[in-house]
This record gives sequence, structure tokens and C-alpha cells, in this order.
Amino acid sequence: ETGVTQTPRHLVMGMTNKKSLKCEQHLGHNAMYWYKQSAKKPLELMFVYNFKEQTENNSVPSRFSPECPNSSHLFLHLHTLQPEDSALYLCASSRNPSGYTFGSGTRLTVV
Amino acid sequence: TQLLEQSPQFLSIQEGENLTVYCNSSSVFSSLQWYRQEPGEGPVLLVTVVTGGEVKKLKRLTFQFGDARKDSSLHITAAQPGDTGLYLCAGAHNTDKLIFGTGTRLQVFP
Repeated sequence: ETGVTQTPRHLVMGMTNKKSLKCEQHLGHNAMYWYKQSAKKPLELMFVYNFKEQTENNSVPSRFSPECPNSSHLFLHLHTLQPEDSALYLCASSRNPSGYTFGSGTRLTVV
Repeated sequence: TQLLEQSPQFLSIQEGENLTVYCNSSSVFSSLQWYRQEPGEGPVLLVTVVTGGEVKKLKRLTFQFGDARKDSSLHITAAQPGDTGLYLCAGAHNTDKLIFGTGTRLQVFP
């Protein structure tokens, strides 16, 4: 248990489906992040939220839609994804400017 | 685009050997972090270095931040199978955003 919980751990979805990834932290951290990890690529930052406000959208396609209802919860809503979106999606939190605490990730497969 | 290059990309060694992983950039960072990621899990923070030339030790792991704060190294003494994993460096620029390196995948055989 890292303190950051991600669900589900694994997800298989069709290109026409809509699904959501959930991330939860009770570490008292003020910042939360979504990262994408693909094979043979560095971790790619997708979104940053600081005190519930989105401070970074790293040119992510609109088929990925983040939501941060409070400083403990972060969602990533997915719709009409492509097979190349298959990857490990990692959530992290931090109390600026400290190191990140990562969740275990959601392994997403788009078929 | 800021880039943190790690070398080597892959490393397979026998238990008991020493190794060094390098993390290089053309950018200056306010701090640099090292993470280890095991299969099926997220990265776990090992250390943060903030001062140029700083050296930190964590049991058999020695981390160094370059004098110019553009590069870093991780040295492991007498590697163990439990050290197996993906090692990631990450640099910060006084913001809440980390730039991650390309990663070094280490395999230590018994």
C-alpha cells in the first residue's frame, strides 16, 4: 500500500466504450498527476492538478478528460480511445515541492 | 523539449557486482530524484538531491548530483537480485512538474 490507490488495476475496453480511472490519496498532498507509461518511452505527463485546479494539460487529446472533485480524488474519463492509447496509466500525488508518491497504475488495453 | 537521457538503457549483471547508472541533461534542475519501479507497480521514490555536488547514500546505493546540477549518477555496490527493476531519474525546475528520464532496466541474476 503506497498511500495512493488506483482502480481498476486492469482494464480492457473497446474503442467505442466509455470508462473512468480512479485515483485516491489520503496523504494530505495538494498536487495530483496523471502520467502515461508506454513501452520504450519515458513517463509522459498528462495532467497536473494543484489544490483541485488544473495547472497543466500536456497537449493531451480530448478523448482523455480529467476530473478533480477534491484534493484527495482524481479521475481520468476515457472515451473513443485508440489502440495506441494502450499503456500503464499512473497517478501520483505530492506536497510541493517534495517527491511524488505513485499508485500502482491501471494497465489499459484498448481493443 | 527537455530530455533526461539515462545510460545504459539495459543492464544485466551477476549478484555481487557493482554498477553505475547515469542521468544526463542539457538543462539545469533545481532538484533531481531517483525512483525504482518493479513490474506491475508504480515508481517508488529513492532519494532527492538538491545541491550541486551533493552525495547521498542509501545502504548500498550512492547518489550524486553533478556540480552544475545537469546530471546525476546512481552507483550500486554488491548488487542483489532484489535490486532488479526499472530505475528512473526525474528533474524538477522549481515547479510542481517532474521531467522523467528514459529509464535503466536492471536485472541482477543470483
